[in-house]
Amino acid sequence: QVYLQESGPGLVKPSGTLSLTCAVSGDSITSGNWWTWVRQPPGKGLEWIGEIFHSGPTNYNPSLKSRVTISLDKSKNQFFLKLTSVTAADTAVYFCASGPREVYGTFHIWGQGTMVTVSS
Amino acid sequence: EVVMTQSPATLSGSPGERATLSCRASQSISTELAWYQQKPGQAPRLLIYGASTRATGIPARFSGSGSGTEFTLTISSLQSEDFAVYYCQQYSQWPTWTFGQGTKVDIK
Repeated sequence: QVYLQESGPGLVKPSGTLSLTCAVSGDSITSGNWWTWVRQPPGKGLEWIGEIFHSGPTNYNPSLKSRVTISLDKSKNQFFLKLTSVTAADTAVYFCASGPREVYGTFHIWGQGTMVTVSS
Repeated sequence: EVVMTQSPATLSGSPGERATLSCRASQSISTELAWYQQKPGQAPRLLIYGASTRATGIPARFSGSGSGTEFTLTISSLQSEDFAVYYCQQYSQWPTWTFGQGTKVDIK
């Protein structure tokens, strides 16, 4: 059974940088899945942020591309999200998720999510 | 970007009733369409991918259909645990995956 667990600060100041970690257990981050971040503002729908493959390729939502970096650490079996120049509009629950290469673009496993509030 | 539009915004149903949720894509996405269920305070759960393939462990009362731009999720007989928000998501237009705005299924 694969588990994903998000962690990181719950409060970030405006213009600061949001940094989150997703710890993967029950599977290797080099197994062949794509590793993804999705967010959900309070009371709203889901927004795909971006994804990474273990060999390095990344893809980002064009609306966030200038501010987003997704990376991974194979030795720790973790992947990361960095979002710069945050505003109140970035307040959301952030989920990490993964899906198999065979059905690329689907999200079969999800973390429980972590709430991040942007406020001074 | 492919825009996904779901209808209705809210569907009120009673246990045992059939529920039909719709999802429309702004351009053809073949059958590269997934459905997710989300309950309050929880992460989404994958129900359907490939427009009609149930994910592991999903009950047979959930079925998906459609291709191109029009898709449907049917719950054949609503159970108490099915009252939730449902999202469709396209994974056809690489590399930007987009979700619909959601349909809330609540108790009549």
